[in-house]
Amino acid sequence: SQELEQSPQSLIVQEGKNLTINCTSSKTLYGLYWYKQKYGEGLIFLMMLQKGGEEKSHEKITAKLDEKKQQSSLHITASQPSHAGIYLCGAGPYNNNDMRFGAGTRLTVKP
Amino acid sequence: DVKVTQSSRYLVKRTGEKVFLECVQDMDHENMFWYRQDPGLGLRLIYFSYDVKMKEKGDIPEGYSVSREKKERFSLILESASTNQTSMYLCASSSPMRDREKLFFGSGTQLSVL
Repeated sequence: SQELEQSPQSLIVQEGKNLTINCTSSKTLYGLYWYKQKYGEGLIFLMMLQKGGEEKSHEKITAKLDEKKQQSSLHITASQPSHAGIYLCGAGPYNNNDMRFGAGTRLTVKP
Repeated sequence: DVKVTQSSRYLVKRTGEKVFLECVQDMDHENMFWYRQDPGLGLRLIYFSYDVKMKEKGDIPEGYSVSREKKERFSLILESASTNQTSMYLCASSSPMRDREKLFFGSGTQLSVL
């Protein structure tokens, strides 16, 4: 079973619109990671959050981790076609350094 | 830059064949991982290794085995390929000492078993 729940599963937005993707865990997270995957390719690391209430930004992407460290949100401002892809949240370590991932959110940005 | 290289982008095999998926990383990472990715299920961990000759089962090890004879190389073996092993396979590596749990991924191998 998935230990990380992502929502929504897919998202279609018009270019220029803002959007938010959520990632929820039933357990307190030691670390929460956001990755982006272009279709048919490997994952690229975006950001890592570790402290409750932490917020990080990279260009137009902002990620937050709630105070309880059980939920994270990824927010994209003024979306561009280049933002399209699959966004996955990951968490770990669990046993012996392994990482677990959510099912992913497929983002489409319409020009 | 860290480079994780998977030997094939696309692979087509027949049911019952023995399949080898190779992964090589060039950053002296201790940890290496094999995931499979399926629509709606996300990434699921098959096996991982935290040292040479060491391996740990992930969530779905059945039907797979792994080999790590050298630090830079982690192989995934499908002993007798079946159609339900058609999937995207992703290899990753990390160094807990240097990058914490940040994973570096290969480009993936799309395996089709006919």
